[in-house]
Order: sequence, then structure tokens, then C-alpha cells
Amino acid sequence: AQKITQTQPGMFVQEKEAVTLDCTYDTSDQSYGLFWYKQPSSGEMIFLIYQGSYDEQNATEGRYSLNFQKARKSANLVISASQLGDSAMYFCAMREGGNQFYFGTGTSLTVIP
Amino acid sequence: GAVVSQHPSWVICKSGTSVKIECRSLDFQATTMFWYRQFPKQSLMLMATSNEGSKATYEQGVEKDKFLINHASLTLSTLTVTSAHPEDSSFYICSAPGTRNSYNEQFFGPGTRLTVL
Repeated sequence: AQKITQTQPGMFVQEKEAVTLDCTYDTSDQSYGLFWYKQPSSGEMIFLIYQGSYDEQNATEGRYSLNFQKARKSANLVISASQLGDSAMYFCAMREGGNQFYFGTGTSLTVIP
Repeated sequence: GAVVSQHPSWVICKSGTSVKIECRSLDFQATTMFWYRQFPKQSLMLMATSNEGSKATYEQGVEKDKFLINHASLTLSTLTVTSAHPEDSSFYICSAPGTRNSYNEQFFGPGTRLTVL
């Protein structure tokens, strides 16, 4: 089974609108971490936000928030007030007990002016 | 803090030649580093885990004799693509585990784009 599933290969959003990128995960560990990264065309992986499995509150970082629903094993990324510079690939990732990360297949986000 | 660099950022080489890519942790020590490969519009695929002072651990299907990994120090890991062929053309990214705000994370290098002619 896939550890991380991103079901949206591509998404479009109007500038200044909010958009939700979906991510579900599969683990039997009690302790794990969930991450979202942005990868622009330059290729660098830019850390956006982190949610620990024991964190009771949803993580927020500026315009990014993570909608963490533990029972459903979902960790959706919400980007508010989309900007043209948000157009990029977005990857959801999970770290289990060790250092290894598992990545989803990514979602390509296009912000329309 | 927690900066990882890669060199070169891009390289073009002829088929049959070898290419070395360096991954450095600039402001922290990394006993472990990870090497990923990414094809266009695809996800990152873990190739191998580089361990300082010992042999690298390769993922299933990755040829260890083709992708030589050397973790010579606590801040440097190198990936050498030996006898490169056009199908080796890809984006190679390294990362090193570290700590950010009390949680464990991976810090990524900027990547190396390899084109084999």
C-alpha cells in the first residue's frame, strides 16, 4: 500500500482564492510527522509546514495551514489568498520512526491571474 | 541554519563518462544523507542512504556499481554516476536529516540536473 497518496495530479485556483491540496497517509506507527513541500520549476524543495502526530492543533505557517484529521489519516494543505508565485508542484511527505521520508506523487498547482 | 548544498547544480556529459555530484551539510553534521532521483513531473524516488564511515544502503532496483556513494566525512557525501547513459538523465537531490523547532526533518540540497548526451 502507498504510504502517501495525493489524488490530485493538477489543480487550478484563481488568484486570491483559497485552495486545498489533498493528502492521505498510511501508517501503523503512533509517532510520525507529516510535511508539505513546494517544488518550483527550479527544483529546490521548499519546506512549508509540519504536523506531528501528537499535535492536537492544526499547524499554521502564514498563508499555509494543515487540516489534520488523524482518524481519517488525512493531512490536507490549505493555501489561502493564492498568489501567482504559488504555482508549483506540492509534495506531501511522512516520516515514521526513523529518518526515512515517504513522498506522495505530488500535485501541480497553477494559479490563474 | 541547516543548509545543504549540492555541486554542480547542473551538468551535461557524454555517454560513457562518469559524473560526481557532491552533497554538503554546511552548518551541521550529517552521519546520514539520502540520495533521491526525480524524473520530470514525478515524485522523488529514494535511491540510497549514505552512511558516514560505512557502506551505503541501496534501495531495491538501484545498481550500486553504477551509482557509487561515498560518505567521506560528517559533512560530505558524493554520488558518482559511472558510465552514464542517456537514461540516467534526471534530477538528483540529496538531503540530510536534522532538527527544526524540536522535530526531525530532512533538509534538501538544491538538486543537480544531469543530462547525458
